[in-house]
Formats: sequence, structure tokens, C-alpha cells
Amino acid sequence: AQSVTQLGSHVSVSEGALVLLRCNYSSSVPPYLFWYVQYPNQGLQLLLKYTTGATLVKGINGFEAEFKKSETSFHLTKPSAHMSDAAEYFCAVSDHEGSNSGYALNFGKGTSLLVTP
Amino acid sequence: KAGVTQTPRYLIKTRGQQVTLSCSPISGHRSVSWYQQTPGQGLQFLFEYFSETQRNKGNFPGRFSGRQFSNSRSEMNVSTLELGDSALYLCASSFSPTGDNQPQHFGDGTRLSIL
Repeated sequence: AQSVTQLGSHVSVSEGALVLLRCNYSSSVPPYLFWYVQYPNQGLQLLLKYTTGATLVKGINGFEAEFKKSETSFHLTKPSAHMSDAAEYFCAVSDHEGSNSGYALNFGKGTSLLVTP
Repeated sequence: KAGVTQTPRYLIKTRGQQVTLSCSPISGHRSVSWYQQTPGQGLQFLFEYFSETQRNKGNFPGRFSGRQFSNSRSEMNVSTLELGDSALYLCASSFSPTGDNQPQHFGDGTRLSIL
């Protein structure tokens, strides 16, 4: 089964600094990969996704991620952090083996991003 | 276009009771999935429905069940509630059942507290 590992449960950056949130995946088939953000007392909001094609994926709010097959990674980055970026970030891989297997997302444990002034 | 709507937002129950949560997907979406989110276990997949059929099920006991109606709305039921069932239950919808280029869109969840 496909799975993801997020390195670092908490990441702290200064406002204006580079944001780097790490995600490594394990998959026996070409993976579909996603990054979601969750603000307090809310559901998950999709930041970006990779299915096929270009390996550098741009998402909302200035975030982007690069799919690196050789490293089995899908790290999330943003050049300059804003205070409003403080939230919980989840990497996920789609479990889509087989046409009749249905659909499920396997999530990482999440990384809490703190942005300091 | 309205998003995924989950009702109620908050619910308090006692051990042994049962509960039903509701989810209305985005208009046109036919796949609905349910997830449980807890501080200890994180986000875990419960089940997925497409065209009123359960297509996939996570590793949860039979106390957790669901169904989908012809209008794609879905309900999740938990019977004989346990303290460990306290969690945020998230519903997500997508156009297709396999994901592909159609990612899941999440509701704000129902926070269930068991006393």
C-alpha cells in the first residue's frame, strides 16, 4: 500500500524566510501526491497535486512542490513565509491500485508550521 | 458553487450511544469519502462511496458504517460509541471515484466528543 512520511512534526520559520516541508512517499505504482493545509477548526484545503506530467507543481498561496522519483520525495516549498501561512500541512498519496479498488488518501502525520515575526 | 457541507459541526454523546453524521458533497460530485482525525492517529481513511456503493473501506471495526443516497449525499453511523471515537470526522467529495486529476475537496468536519 502507498504511504507517506513527513519529516518534522513542527517547523518554525521567520516571516519572509524560505518554507520547506518534507514528504517522502512509498508506492508500488506511479503515485498521485497531494499537499493539503488545515487551519484551526477547519477542514483540509488542497494546496497542490501531482498526478502526471510536469514534476514541478505550483499551487495556491505561492506554494510549490517538486516530484522527485529518484528520491521518492515531494517536498513543499514557499520562497517567503507569511504570518498567515501558520497552519498544519499534510502530505498525502492516493491509494489507487486497481480499477476497482476505490479511492482513498493515505496521509502523513502532518507538519505544524509556525511563522515568527 | 457550494462546498462540502457537513452537519452537525459539533456533537456530544455518551458511551454506548450511536450517532449519525451527514455530508452533502459539492454539486456534481459522486464520490464521497470519510476520514477520522485524532491527535494520536492522525488522518485515517474510513470508507468511500460512489453511486451508492461502498468501493473501499479502511481498517475500522464494523461499528462504523455508512451509506450514500441517490443524490450523492452520504451519512456515516457509529454505533456503541467508545471514548476513543472522539475525533474530527471529515467528509470529502470528488467527481470521479479514482481521484486521477479530480482531487478530493473536504468539508469542515463534525467534531464528535464522547463523554
